[in-house]
Amino acid sequence: DVKVTQSSRYLVKRTGEKVFLECVQDMDHENMFWYRQDPGLGLRLIYFSYDVKMKEKGDIPEGYSVSREKKERFSLILESASTNQTSMYLCASSSESSGNTIYFGEGSWLTVV
Amino acid sequence: QKEVEQNSGPLSVPEGAIASLNCTYSDRGSQSFFWYRQYSGKSPELIMSIYSNGDKEDGRFTAQLNKASQYVSLLIRDSQPSDSATYLCAVKPGYALNFGKGTSLLVTP
Repeated sequence: DVKVTQSSRYLVKRTGEKVFLECVQDMDHENMFWYRQDPGLGLRLIYFSYDVKMKEKGDIPEGYSVSREKKERFSLILESASTNQTSMYLCASSSESSGNTIYFGEGSWLTVV
Repeated sequence: QKEVEQNSGPLSVPEGAIASLNCTYSDRGSQSFFWYRQYSGKSPELIMSIYSNGDKEDGRFTAQLNKASQYVSLLIRDSQPSDSATYLCAVKPGYALNFGKGTSLLVTP
């Protein structure tokens, strides 16, 4: 089974703090993604990566950055957290060899106060 | 922005009935289509993928794809209360998936 692990499930951070969300997958998938999900807005893509050290902006990259130094790990960084970044963040991975199906982690609930 | 449209619902069906969930998409170049189920407070989990026109069956679930009409649907036969969840349609025009906002399904005993 594919395992996508998000290390932090619930976080509360203060406005202006730098926040790191970590994600690790164990299936040697080349593609990794960060989405956020908000009521009424659905799932929106923040960034994705198709290879180590490669990254592409998604639909809502503003206020976020990412890092992929190793194939299995994809980090989302909020440089200066703001209250409108309160959300559920979902990491995911996929591979052509597995039919490009995207597999999600359990999600990280971030509250910025 | 590539659009994926779903009726938000809620769609309410009695236990044992067929639930029909629909989705339309705007990007004609899309080649891969997925249905995910999401329980409240949980992450989405894959139900089915479909790549070719026609029907694909997996247990109580049938996915239907019509690329000419840019339409994909999910049928759930013999609906159970445990099927109550939000169903997300997803379309893959490139590396990532574009998701609809989901249809809420309620199966009543």
